[in-house]
Amino acid sequence: GEDVEQSLFLSVREGDSSVINCTYTDSSSTYLYWYKQEPGAGLQLLTYIFSNMDMKQDQRLTVLLNKKDKHLSLRIADTQTGDSAIYFCAESMTGNQFYFGTGTSLTVIP
Amino acid sequence: DVKVTQSSRYLVKRTGEKVFLECVQDMDHENMFWYRQDPGLGLRLIYFSYDVKMKEKGDIPEGYSVSREKKERFSLILESASTNQTSMYLCASSSIAGTGLPSTRTDTQYFGPGTRLTVL
Repeated sequence: GEDVEQSLFLSVREGDSSVINCTYTDSSSTYLYWYKQEPGAGLQLLTYIFSNMDMKQDQRLTVLLNKKDKHLSLRIADTQTGDSAIYFCAESMTGNQFYFGTGTSLTVIP
Repeated sequence: DVKVTQSSRYLVKRTGEKVFLECVQDMDHENMFWYRQDPGLGLRLIYFSYDVKMKEKGDIPEGYSVSREKKERFSLILESASTNQTSMYLCASSSIAGTGLPSTRTDTQYFGPGTRLTVL
């Protein structure tokens, strides 16, 4: 499968911004996704970006895509304790095959 | 509202037992997937299915088989469970690629809540 890499852990203080990074190898990826997994639960789609976009903003979430460097990031503004979870980035070209990163465990310190 | 359900949230089995994990989706999706999730390894694809009675191996199919007799149901079978199959198992479904935004296009994967399997 394709390589999708993320750092494993991130800690931030409540109210600060969190930035979760992801790199991928498949330049033909059409869609790039961010999923959130809360403890004991399945994955929930958080947001997505088309490969022909550079940025997408959705309330507290900002997704940045640097297609040249194959780098995707998720910024969470005003991080809250409820944002503590594992965040997965994923890529897909066809919608039939998805490649997931290892997940980044975000801990928000009150 | 989209829904993917899995038969059990927690399961404890003994080495050598045959284990069935069931997944049902109510979105009329063509594609269904089984992943296992392990700390530090992320999600790894075990098997997927494009259609009824069709199956394709993912990245780690060894020790597993699947069954897709009906469109809405995709079963993962551990023929003889081993301790290294202790893991969280996640089922997902999606539709074939089409047009429209991912939030409405169903090529986005929708996940079930997961089954945490412990093999003793």
